[in-house]
Amino acid sequence: GQNIDQPTEMTATEGAIVQINCTYQTSGFNGLFWYQQHAGEAPTFLSYNVLDGLEEKGRFSSFLSRSKGYSYLLLKELQMKDSASYLCAFDQTGANNLFFGTGTRLTVIP
Amino acid sequence: DGGITQSPKYLFRKEGQNVTLSCEQNLNHDAMYWYRQDPGQGLRLIYYSQIVNDFQKGDIAEGYSVSREKKESFPLTVTSAQKNPTAFYLCASSNKQSASPLHFGNGTRLTVT
Repeated sequence: GQNIDQPTEMTATEGAIVQINCTYQTSGFNGLFWYQQHAGEAPTFLSYNVLDGLEEKGRFSSFLSRSKGYSYLLLKELQMKDSASYLCAFDQTGANNLFFGTGTRLTVIP
Repeated sequence: DGGITQSPKYLFRKEGQNVTLSCEQNLNHDAMYWYRQDPGQGLRLIYYSQIVNDFQKGDIAEGYSVSREKKESFPLTVTSAQKNPTAFYLCASSNKQSASPLHFGNGTRLTVT
């Protein structure tokens, strides 16, 4: 079957670093997406990992380990505007859509 | 600017009425999708379409219908057969290539009473 696990909620302090973990189980795995979604708004694309390792994009980095079925999103120098839900999703070989986790709601406090 | 437009943002209906949610994109994407988002649950796929005049059921298609008469448009009808229609509905599109990210509209929050 297919499954994605993410923590439901996290809280972190402005200026700090936070790591949001995602574990998944599926067959025919292609790659893993991370999306950011502010309350009541559209999810926006953050990153896509296919190969093992860390990919950095400014303050945001995403890591993938295919053998462990594990990914994380790392947010550095947290800002108040980073308060949002972060959705982990994978795509599969031959499938026509993404499978989403429930999302992690991150609250950044002063 | 290219993007996806969903309308309206908020929609209220009485139980037993059908309602149609609009989704239009000018990104020239072939594939379009409808997702439903409920509190504490991931996005769940309702229907998707990879080409004009063709569409496929997703994981939770019961009580919904769609059409794809034009590449730009993929309206979703929530019928009276949908048992729990109150939710946040998201439309998305992509260019269908592997690793192509989904582009989402801003969503329609439907409340049925």
